[in-house]
Amino acid sequence: AQSVSQHNHHVILSEAASLELGCNYSYGGTVNLFWYVQYPGQHLQLLLKYFSGDPLVKGIKGFEAEFIKSKFSFNLRKPSVQWSDTAEYFCAVKGTTDSWGKLQFGAGTQVVVTP
Amino acid sequence: GAVVSQHPSRVICKSGTSVKIECRSLDFQATTMFWYRQFPKKSLMLMATSNEGSKATYEQGVEKDKFLINHASLTLSTLTVTSAHPEDSSFYICSATGLDQPKYTQYFGPGTRLTVL
Repeated sequence: AQSVSQHNHHVILSEAASLELGCNYSYGGTVNLFWYVQYPGQHLQLLLKYFSGDPLVKGIKGFEAEFIKSKFSFNLRKPSVQWSDTAEYFCAVKGTTDSWGKLQFGAGTQVVVTP
Repeated sequence: GAVVSQHPSRVICKSGTSVKIECRSLDFQATTMFWYRQFPKKSLMLMATSNEGSKATYEQGVEKDKFLINHASLTLSTLTVTSAHPEDSSFYICSATGLDQPKYTQYFGPGTRLTVL
């Protein structure tokens, strides 16, 4: 069965700390991978995506993610977080054979950055 | 650019009534729209995919007669929850993609909080 797993449901860290959020997927076939962010009271926004090529993808706001095919992982990282990074982060997967762009989301990770 | 709106942002209704939620792409043509349901502390669950001018495709387990989806134009899709019951209370989110937008990038609306009494 297809699934997307995010390892941490809740992360609390201080400003300037480094952040890494885990995402693993189980999917029959090749995939496109996404990270979305939902800031408090706002709608989901795309942080970054991976379709092919360089497995290290850089997104907005200093985030990056690395696709490791052998581990079926697409972990999100940021070297130094800010208070404004407090949000919920969702990993999502799309099968490449899907022409409509249907996404399967992980359960999300709530990140709280303390001043 | 690529803004998606939803209306209403929250709605409270009595059990047995129907509720319509609108999803609009404000500055692009949305060839495909998606409807999700988000439970507290849980992920987004895809309910259905709709392409403009076509019938919606529902995910397994989603009652198509209960959740009516219409995508009659390139800027508007509606979700009607028919004969709503308290268990239908949830946060409903739409998203949209368009041919003139980055491929497979979904733009999300702000969501609609439905409470059925």
